[in-house]
Amino acid sequence: QSALTQPASVSGSPGQSITISCTGTSSDVGSYNLVSWYQQHPGKAPKLMIYEGSKRPSGVSNRFSGSKSGNTASLTISGLQAEDEADYYCCSYAGSNGVFGGGTKLTVL
Amino acid sequence: QVQLQESGPGLVKPSQTLSLTCTVSGGSISSGSYYWSWIRQPAGKGLEWIGRIYTSGSTNYNPSLKSRVTISVDTSKNQFSLKLSSVTAADTAVYYCAREDLVGAIDYWGQGTLVTVSS
Repeated sequence: QSALTQPASVSGSPGQSITISCTGTSSDVGSYNLVSWYQQHPGKAPKLMIYEGSKRPSGVSNRFSGSKSGNTASLTISGLQAEDEADYYCCSYAGSNGVFGGGTKLTVL
Repeated sequence: QVQLQESGPGLVKPSQTLSLTCTVSGGSISSGSYYWSWIRQPAGKGLEWIGRIYTSGSTNYNPSLKSRVTISVDTSKNQFSLKLSSVTAADTAVYYCAREDLVGAIDYWGQGTLVTVSS
């Protein structure tokens, strides 16, 4: 299985919106609406931000939203805040295993 | 609140077997609605899914690691374990244990433990 493809970096100013893409194949992202997204601050464990493509766990801000089109899933963060600066990873259910994206570093300018 | 804690040697010699245990507290590993998973992250790099086990003992492994990985569960101790054989420097990473729901969402993570492969 190959890692899902994410942009290495994205940036935005406070208050703006950004979108991070996650491209897979018809065997993973395209077959299941089961992409999850994780936020990771330096030295910390990842935190679940979106699951099953677009659902938010309790306690996660509604500024975070997820969607999918074909083999590409997307994470949108609206109203960027300084604390959103982190690495973001997508992960797709792929039947008998999981596969992560390579990660995207979000910089809040 | 479910908590997971990794334990095991922080240094392993090349060609030997890496062994880690994850102790789960705040919930039963036998609940039946979750997989128990291992994920790793080399320094400065991305996350890699290693594999998972269901309470029945059924396992799924990353195809690229399958020949070297064994995940097992001890429900009496509320623990699950990872063994990775024939390690090389490329296996040096922070290893996380985690709880994964039946459709792949990883909702609880351990703090991670650094394992270095070096002679």
